[in-house]
Amino acid sequence: SQTIHQWPATLVQPVGSPLSLECTVEGTSNPNLYWYRQAAGRGLQLLFYSVGIGQISSEVPQNLSASRPQDRQFILSSKKLLLSDSGFYLCAWSVLRSLQFFGPGTRLTVL
Amino acid sequence: RKEVEQDPGPFNVPEGATVAFNCTYSNSASQSFFWYRQDCRKEPKLLMSVYSSGNEDGRFTAQLNRASQYISLLIRDSKLSDSATYLCVVTAGGTSYGKLTFGQGTILTVHP
Repeated sequence: SQTIHQWPATLVQPVGSPLSLECTVEGTSNPNLYWYRQAAGRGLQLLFYSVGIGQISSEVPQNLSASRPQDRQFILSSKKLLLSDSGFYLCAWSVLRSLQFFGPGTRLTVL
Repeated sequence: RKEVEQDPGPFNVPEGATVAFNCTYSNSASQSFFWYRQDCRKEPKLLMSVYSSGNEDGRFTAQLNRASQYISLLIRDSKLSDSATYLCVVTAGGTSYGKLTFGQGTILTVHP
């Protein structure tokens, strides 16, 4: 069966510090991978998606970047965090065109 | 107009009640429809897909009206464990990666 892992689960970072969140998927090959952010009291916003190694598409301009160095690894990064980067970051995967499954998420607080 | 709109609630119902959630979407090219459930501070989890003919999974019934661009979720015999936020989710047509658009969610609280 497929599983998706994210770490860390919780993170508190100062403004201006770098960020690296990791997501890995097990039990499937060549998945589509996604990064979402959910701000407090708001809906899910798609940040990035990837259909293969090294292929990244950005949905919204922002302070973040993503990379996919391996088939089942997806990384979300920032060089300098902003207060507005606080939120619940969710990684998701799919092999069909639509149905997506989410990881447990990383709750990021930028102070 | 938002791409996917839901009544945010909250809906507060007693155990055993029947409750219905509605959702409308703006993109007539949307191809796939889902309901996800999100517990407090957890990730969304797929509750059920929504098919054109309507579908049922135990106490949950989903309906789709493509002409009206309307989706519904009916929960019968509510349990305390049904308390959660219910997300209406729609895919846009014509994309290679299956972009999902999420509604804001409807909060349900089932009380004893």
